[in-house]
Amino acid sequence: TQLLEQSPQFLSIQEGENLTVYCNSSSVFSSLQWYRQEPGEGPVLLVTVVTGGEVKKLKRLTFQFGDARKDSSLHITAAQPGDTGLYLCAGVKYNFNKFYFGSGTKLNVKP
Amino acid sequence: GAVVSQHPSRVICKSGTSVKIECRSLDFQATTMFWYRQFPKKSLMLMATSNEGSKATYEQGVEKDKFLINHASLTLSTLTVTSAHPEDSSFYICSASRSADYGTGELFFGEGSRLTVL
Repeated sequence: TQLLEQSPQFLSIQEGENLTVYCNSSSVFSSLQWYRQEPGEGPVLLVTVVTGGEVKKLKRLTFQFGDARKDSSLHITAAQPGDTGLYLCAGVKYNFNKFYFGSGTKLNVKP
Repeated sequence: GAVVSQHPSRVICKSGTSVKIECRSLDFQATTMFWYRQFPKKSLMLMATSNEGSKATYEQGVEKDKFLINHASLTLSTLTVTSAHPEDSSFYICSASRSADYGTGELFFGEGSRLTVL
């Protein structure tokens, strides 16, 4: 079983649409990260959120860390075909130096 | 900076043979490296945490005698899949953290190694 559950698992949308991906857990994390992975490659870090309630923006991407540091969301505005990929959230546990990945969300943005 | 290199990127082997995958941090020292396994279109499953100079810590359900991990230096960790079988076929990815103190360190990933066992 996954420590972090992501929803939806798959998302296929048209270019220009908005979308939100959720990352939920019953565990508390010291920080949470979002990665994007292309097929056959390793994940690449998008953002790290540390403080409960924190919101970070990266161009068209908005990341939020839940107040209780158990969940996070990724919102993409006006999605582009270049946003296509596998989005992974990863939670870091206090004092254990371990990164646990979410179940992943496969996004396909059609032109 | 912060480059992690994995080798080989692809390997095909016969059932029963052993395969070694290397993970190197090229421009930083990695006290801790992580090994993940990823099935097609699925997320990364943590296999083990590798600490330099000590035994790896394996996640529940991962056979340590099957997946031998060695972290002999601050820049190199190896994963050896012993007596590989077709069910071991997968995408294996390593990662390293430069600074995981307080849980805010970024993970840097290798390119991944695609193992196919015939």
